[in-house]
Amino acid sequence: SQQGEEDPQALSIQEGENATMNCSYKTSINNLQWYRQNSGRGLVHLILIRSNEREKHSGRLRVTLDTSKKSSSLLITASRAADTASYFCATVTSGNTPLVFGKGTRLSVIA
Amino acid sequence: NAGVMQNPRHLVRRRGQEARLRCSPMKGHSHVYWYRQLPEEGLKFMVYLQKENIIDESGMPKERFSAEFPKEGPSILRIQQVVRGDSAAYFCASSPPGSGTDTQYFGPGTRLTVL
Repeated sequence: SQQGEEDPQALSIQEGENATMNCSYKTSINNLQWYRQNSGRGLVHLILIRSNEREKHSGRLRVTLDTSKKSSSLLITASRAADTASYFCATVTSGNTPLVFGKGTRLSVIA
Repeated sequence: NAGVMQNPRHLVRRRGQEARLRCSPMKGHSHVYWYRQLPEEGLKFMVYLQKENIIDESGMPKERFSAEFPKEGPSILRIQQVVRGDSAAYFCASSPPGSGTDTQYFGPGTRLTVL
């Protein structure tokens, strides 16, 4: 079953702008993860945020988590053409349960 | 330390044939997960294995699909009597002992095309 739903489905921005993607989920989670997938490639883990955390940073990435609203956002600042990819959120409900992915946001950064 | 390896990267089968997809986890990793990705979709969990054990196969279709992770050698996802609807990208991920599903490292995927 689909747990995460990303919004928007597609996003097109100019290089240098910020990109914000949102993820909503349905059930309680242990943690939420964001992944990037370049066209035709495998997934790259970007960042993990646990249910007791509200915000995390990694380089140009900022992730927030609001468990009361069951939502998360991924902000990419000062975007680059190389950031063009699909971005997926995935949730883990408990220690050994599998990742449940959303359908992703396709980000296009135009130089 | 090589990453997760999958082969073949591309596989073409005719309807009714068998497809075997291989996954070699990262060195020291004892947990393997298989996911399927249809075009324009997210990844869907299929099966979670540890060495010689299937831990969770709740995402596996009831028929034609099987998976194993033997004591020696790669994990194998086997699809018998493939149909066009099996065309997808199949990704394998691995994680080290004790990590739960927190950190999974993904392979490049096998793209299966059924003619």
